Amino acid sequence: EVQLLESGGGLIQPGGSLRLSCVTSGFTFSDYTMTWVRQAPGKGLEWVSTISGSGETTSYASSVKGRFTVSRDISKNTVFLQMSGLRAEDTAVYYCAKGGRRLHLGEWSAWGQGTLVTVSS
Amino acid sequence: SYVLTQPPSVSVAPGKTATITCGGDKIEFKSVHWYQQKPGQAPVVVVYDDSARPSGIPERFSGSNSGNTATLTINRVEAGDEADYYCHVWDVSRDHVGVLGGGTKLTVL
Repeated sequence: EVQLLESGGGLIQPGGSLRLSCVTSGFTFSDYTMTWVRQAPGKGLEWVSTISGSGETTSYASSVKGRFTVSRDISKNTVFLQMSGLRAEDTAVYYCAKGGRRLHLGEWSAWGQGTLVTVSS
Repeated sequence: SYVLTQPPSVSVAPGKTATITCGGDKIEFKSVHWYQQKPGQAPVVVVYDDSARPSGIPERFSGSNSGNTATLTINRVEAGDEADYYCHVWDVSRDHVGVLGGGTKLTVL
């Protein structure tokens, strides 16, 4: 059974940094892309970032480019989202999701339960 | 940037058919995926690659894609289908980004 478990969310002041983690199990981690999707309170889903299976290729939404960095540790079956320069508009539940084998192709077939990031002074 | 347009809300009586659209420029040339999200829960894929259905998803859920509109159809709607539904494509024309529609709230009357 595929499982994804996010952690690392919390309350952070504007301008601060936070690192989210997503521990996975139940599949060959290095074979699949991983994606972060967020959802602001009462709003829709927003794609944030995707990383290839090898970790060599990444892509970002324009709203977070230059501030967020996605990475993965294949030895720990874990994907990370390093967030810096946080703004109030980054407040959201952050989900990690398992993608397809090929970058920028395929659906998000499994999701974690999400971790809440609140940016506020 | 590529934009997906969904109606904010759709209402349907139990047992009837719900149709949720996702509009995008020449969307027929993209693979469309659909997610269901119930309150307080993570999204779940209900249709992928325009019309494929993951294991465990009822046959009542189906998808199609033609021209500038992709469609999620739910036959014989049940109360448990009440949720938000999102369409998703990949835009690889320039920036290689994921694109999600604004979501459609399905209300079962």
